[in-house]
Amino acid sequence: EVQLVESGGGLAQPGGSLRLSCAASGFAFRSYWMYWVRQAPGKGLVWVSRINGDGSHTRYVDSVKGRFTMSRDNAKNTLYLQMNSLRAEDTAVYYCASGITMKEVEAWGQGTLVTVSS
Amino acid sequence: QSALTQPASVSGSPGQSITISCTGTSSDVGNYNYVSWYQQHPGKAPKLIIFDVTNRPSGLSNRFSGSKSGNTASLTISGLQAEDEADYYCCSYASSTTLVFGGGTKLTVL
Repeated sequence: EVQLVESGGGLAQPGGSLRLSCAASGFAFRSYWMYWVRQAPGKGLVWVSRINGDGSHTRYVDSVKGRFTMSRDNAKNTLYLQMNSLRAEDTAVYYCASGITMKEVEAWGQGTLVTVSS
Repeated sequence: QSALTQPASVSGSPGQSITISCTGTSSDVGNYNYVSWYQQHPGKAPKLIIFDVTNRPSGLSNRFSGSKSGNTASLTISGLQAEDEADYYCCSYASSTTLVFGGGTKLTVL
């Protein structure tokens, strides 16, 4: 059974940083594309970033380019999202997700809440 | 990349069928057969219910079906049940090589 468990969310000040982690199990992690998708309170889903299986290719939504960095450690079956220069509009539940291709998300974690506020 | 357009809400009575539309452009829905649908109950993570426009994950009820015509994809739920009450999101691969989601549709079972 695919399991994705996020951690690292919490309260950060504007301009601050947080690092999210996602522990994966139950599938061939290194063979899958991984994603971060976020959902602001009461709002819809927004794709944030993706990374390929060996970590050599990443892509970001324009609103986080230059501030967020996605990476993975295939030896640890773990995905990361380093979030710097945080803004109030980054406040959301962040979901880790997986897909065998870069064209569709299949499985989702339970999400971790990031709140950016002074 | 603009979000795909979904109705904010739909409703139906138990046993009825409903259809949720998802309208994009020739740069996403209209150009790729990579439309997926997700069900999200309050406070829970999204769950994949349709992929590649028409396919259901293994074990998912055949009451859920997907289709596409031009730039618009659709999700149909037949034989509505109380547990179908949830938010539903469509998602499409786009020519920008990103993914774009719809704004979400709240389904109310009357």
